[in-house]
Amino acid sequence: DAGVIQSPRHEVTEMGQEVTLRCKPISGHDYLFWYRQTMMRGLELLIYFNNNVPIDDSGMPEDRFSAKMPNASFSTLKIQPSEPRDSAVYFCASTQGQAGRETQYFGPGTRLLVL
Amino acid sequence: AQKITQTQPGMFVQEKEAVTLDCTYDTSDQSYGLFWYKQPSSGEMIFLIYQGSYDEQNATEGRYSLNFQKARKSANLVISASQLGDSAMYFCAMRLNRDDKIIFGKGTRLHILP
Repeated sequence: DAGVIQSPRHEVTEMGQEVTLRCKPISGHDYLFWYRQTMMRGLELLIYFNNNVPIDDSGMPEDRFSAKMPNASFSTLKIQPSEPRDSAVYFCASTQGQAGRETQYFGPGTRLLVL
Repeated sequence: AQKITQTQPGMFVQEKEAVTLDCTYDTSDQSYGLFWYKQPSSGEMIFLIYQGSYDEQNATEGRYSLNFQKARKSANLVISASQLGDSAMYFCAMRLNRDDKIIFGKGTRLHILP
């Protein structure tokens, strides 16, 4: 399997622009997680889905952030409008079930810079 | 609330020496799992090792072992015979078996010196 795929790998945009990050989980995995990583706050869980349904979005910082999972093989995280403080690395991770030693498999991340 | 604490923000270790990265956790649950991940400078998060709260033996994966002390709520990662390629950020994490989410510590940056 190709692993979790994220695009783009790097994104530079100007404040106020819309940003869309994309994720393709590992085939057969039924959980998908979106994380944000910054030096100051470490790795934060933003939202996660189970069988394409959002389960917990309590980590989404504000209404400017939204996430969708229209099918089992695709998810998006959108920031509109973007702000400089959104600059971070955004990871998508997937897992099959949540029992025991099932670990989350991370994508390579999207490095976002908002100017 | 659940919490993971990694008290060593950074460590410098001579190549070929063994390394212990500290991790303590806080939960009142009895059923949980502990994970360690490695994040090299390239940025990807790599799963290293898992320990279940009911596992009687410490987990081992090649040069990695987990020193699990349940009474102390400690789950230290031990890397034997360190290599230059071990230089990275290391994250300890926990998932309660009744929950879907993994909680991560702040990480320890390990530098292996030649």
